[in-house]
Amino acid sequence: DGGITQSPKYLFRKEGQNVTLSCEQNLNHDAMYWYRQDPGQGLRLIYYSQIVNDFQKGDIAEGYSVSREKKESFPLTVTSAQKNPTAFYLCASSPSASGRGDTQYFGPGTRLTVL
Amino acid sequence: GEDVEQSLFLSVREGDSSVINCTYTDSSSTYLYWYKQEPGAGLQLLTYIFSNMDMKQDQRLTVLLNKKDKHLSLRIADTQTGDSAIYFCAESIRSNYQLIWGAGTKLIIKP
Repeated sequence: DGGITQSPKYLFRKEGQNVTLSCEQNLNHDAMYWYRQDPGQGLRLIYYSQIVNDFQKGDIAEGYSVSREKKESFPLTVTSAQKNPTAFYLCASSPSASGRGDTQYFGPGTRLTVL
Repeated sequence: GEDVEQSLFLSVREGDSSVINCTYTDSSSTYLYWYKQEPGAGLQLLTYIFSNMDMKQDQRLTVLLNKKDKHLSLRIADTQTGDSAIYFCAESIRSNYQLIWGAGTKLIIKP
């Protein structure tokens, strides 16, 4: 079964702690993305990666970090520098980052709550 | 800059048609997308339309694109309770590799 998996589904963190959200895809997609979703708002892009070992900041990268050491994996670390990290985090991938027909496919999401 | 706008809520009766509207600002859009999000879940791609098309139909779904007015709509025929979700419009533009997202329209089904 091809798809995108995110783990864990729910995550609780104490203030001041870093936490890493997992995203794995077996679709052989080149590009991967991390979004943040807050109630009543659209998706905001945190980071994206067009190819292994390369990634770019999105609109709200401050307080977050990523790595792309393998094609299938794109973990997101929420650092203690992120002032308001409680949100729903969505990972997506697309076949390529050519800008044409780059349909994105989404994982089930991780809900992060800071206690 | 680029912007995509949608109304936040739409309420329809079960069995009626739902029409969800979206406006965008960037005329260099290549593809326009509709995604569905059920509570607590990720986004599911519903359909998309290439910018040189006016209409696309897929079973109960009809997408209409008016490039002159930069207006996109999604019509769901015979709306069912399972259609209750948030629907997101997004556009892909030539200048970068990102999608520009609307805020989502919550579709509420009345019995």
